[in-house]
Amino acid sequence: GDSVTQMEGPVTLSEEAFLTINCTYTATGYPSLFWYVQYPGEGLQLLLKATKADDKGSNKGFEATYRKETTSFHLEKGSVQVSDSAVYFCALSDSANNNDMRFGAGTRLTVKP
Amino acid sequence: EPEVTQTPSHQVTQMGQEVILRCVPISNHLYFYWYRQILGQKVEFLVSFYNNEISEKSEIFDDQFSVERPDGSNFTLKIRSTKLEDSAMYFCASRIMGLAGDEQYFGPGTRLTVT
Repeated sequence: GDSVTQMEGPVTLSEEAFLTINCTYTATGYPSLFWYVQYPGEGLQLLLKATKADDKGSNKGFEATYRKETTSFHLEKGSVQVSDSAVYFCALSDSANNNDMRFGAGTRLTVKP
Repeated sequence: EPEVTQTPSHQVTQMGQEVILRCVPISNHLYFYWYRQILGQKVEFLVSFYNNEISEKSEIFDDQFSVERPDGSNFTLKIRSTKLEDSAMYFCASRIMGLAGDEQYFGPGTRLTVT
């Protein structure tokens, strides 16, 4: 079945460091890919998405490119801030799986001043 | 901006009791979902609901669970006889259409504590 694998955390960075959170997926159809963010005590919010191969999603300085050849959707940010501290979830929605969403395990990011 | 709301924010119940978690999806959305997140773990799909019926459910969603859309606005998750392992955050989500590229909008969650 469909699945999403994220790099295990936690990840701790200093402010202004470069961030990469790896995400790979397995899907039977043609999935759309998402990154959701969960700030402490809150629900999940969509950060960015890409609906087809080679699309790049971007928002708030974060970006991720849909790579079909490597089945990946790695999240990157050039310069993180303390306010980026949160849990990040990679997810997919597959047309061959009723378009239901499947999430990775989540990666906790802590950014220190 | 429209948002998904959930009540209560925190529910404490004794093992064996029934609980009902409530959600109000975004008004023009057609697809509704429940997810569970045990503390510190991944977000797990429970069930999807469309056109007044379940469209898919996971292995977690056994006979103890049921969902209902009793009126035009609420979407509820009922756990018939709670177990300790049901303690988790429960998130409701809605989606305007069932297309793969449509994002799901999540509510803030209900923290269920079973004692």
